[in-house]
Amino acid sequence: GAGVSQSPSNKVTEKGKDVELRCDPISGHTALYWYRQSLGQGLEFLIYFQGNSAPDKSGLPSDRFSAERTGGSVSTLTIQRTQQEDSAVYLCASSLVKLAGGQQETQYFGPGTRLLVL
Amino acid sequence: AQSVAQPEDQVNVAEGNPLTVKCTYSVSGNPYLFWYVQYPNRGLQFLLKYITGDNLVKGSYGFEAEFNKSQTSFHLKKPSALVSDSALYFCAVREDSNYQLIWGAGTKLIIKP
Repeated sequence: GAGVSQSPSNKVTEKGKDVELRCDPISGHTALYWYRQSLGQGLEFLIYFQGNSAPDKSGLPSDRFSAERTGGSVSTLTIQRTQQEDSAVYLCASSLVKLAGGQQETQYFGPGTRLLVL
Repeated sequence: AQSVAQPEDQVNVAEGNPLTVKCTYSVSGNPYLFWYVQYPNRGLQFLLKYITGDNLVKGSYGFEAEFNKSQTSFHLKKPSALVSDSALYFCAVREDSNYQLIWGAGTKLIIKP
């Protein structure tokens, strides 16, 4: 079936503008994760959804960052008043269940959104 | 606290030679261990994981990894490297009681013809 999709693939914006990034998880996956990856760096956890609720928002770097998920499917990550240090690749991943062994809990990643704040 | 270490920023291997990308971890409970690969300008692709059972795990593209509990390691290996294996490799771990994956910083693998 289709994998995780993200849009836009690239976004260039001016400092101070708001941006919305979208993630479509694999159909039926209840868990959804947002990460940030700066150039040449590892993954920084941002937020985790189980269904529509976000039990862990601890990774959001500031109150300019927010995320929502509706219908247990699509998620949007919003960055308000963007700053140059927000420039990064934003990755979304989904998995079938929250806690389990076996195949179900493997996270599958989208291609990412490359954000550049000028 | 959970942590993952990939001690090598970069590994250089000649095509046809065996390769090893190192990963060590620290968790309180039982570890779930993962390897992902990232090709340039692409998202992360799942390679393999260890949950339980055999310590030697086989994954995609001919890669395998060995779980060593005493050394708290999960090194990624391949018997014969290909130029197309050149990419960024990430190790990740989570405890069996925690959903959140903890990621290593990544190791850049360069395979030279």
